[in-house]
Amino acid sequence: EPEVTQTPSHQVTQMGQEVILRCVPISNHLYFYWYRQILGQKVEFLVSFYNNEISEKSEIFDDQFSVERPDGSNFTLKIRSTKLEDSAMYFCASSDQDLGNTEAFFGQGTRLTVV
Amino acid sequence: GNSVTQMEGPVTLSEEAFLTINCTYTATGYPSLFWYVQYPGEGLQLLLKATKADDKGSNKGFEATYRKETTSFHLEKGSVQVSDSAVYFCALRGTGNQFYFGTGTSLTVIP
Repeated sequence: EPEVTQTPSHQVTQMGQEVILRCVPISNHLYFYWYRQILGQKVEFLVSFYNNEISEKSEIFDDQFSVERPDGSNFTLKIRSTKLEDSAMYFCASSDQDLGNTEAFFGQGTRLTVV
Repeated sequence: GNSVTQMEGPVTLSEEAFLTINCTYTATGYPSLFWYVQYPGEGLQLLLKATKADDKGSNKGFEATYRKETTSFHLEKGSVQVSDSAVYFCALRGTGNQFYFGTGTSLTVIP
């Protein structure tokens, strides 16, 4: 069964460093997303991406964050100058349609710990 | 705006017990509603969904009915198994791209 894969599963970084979280969406999907969940809080939307550009982003997704689809298979989230409060589980997701009744397929998440 | 409020956990049940996890929502328009499940070490997996009022989603013995009058989408299962131990997330998707999730409810089923 096709699945979304994320690497690494756990990333520890020092405050102020840059991290890149990687995702391989399902191969025939066209819509890609990043979400995050700070421990004990809700899963929050960060950004959606379609046709090589951001289609929607939340207020969390400021200049510290960027996304890229560098080739035909990877979808990355870059966090510059990490802060302690960036520590969270980051989920990548993809879907084949952008309809409200369509589910998204999620990866297993990358746990980012900023120390 | 859109939001989901989910029953707080953790929930611990004995095998074969009845499960209810409450979920209520606030939304503009007519959202679709979802339950996702996360088993240990895995990603969020779609458990079931309902796309309009009075629809019932069902899968693996779990059910949830889209109740517009009470803005609810409670998850139920008549007889839980140890293998159902996981974190359950209620979510809605409106006209935009975003899913709006609840905080998740951790379920542990003991033999």
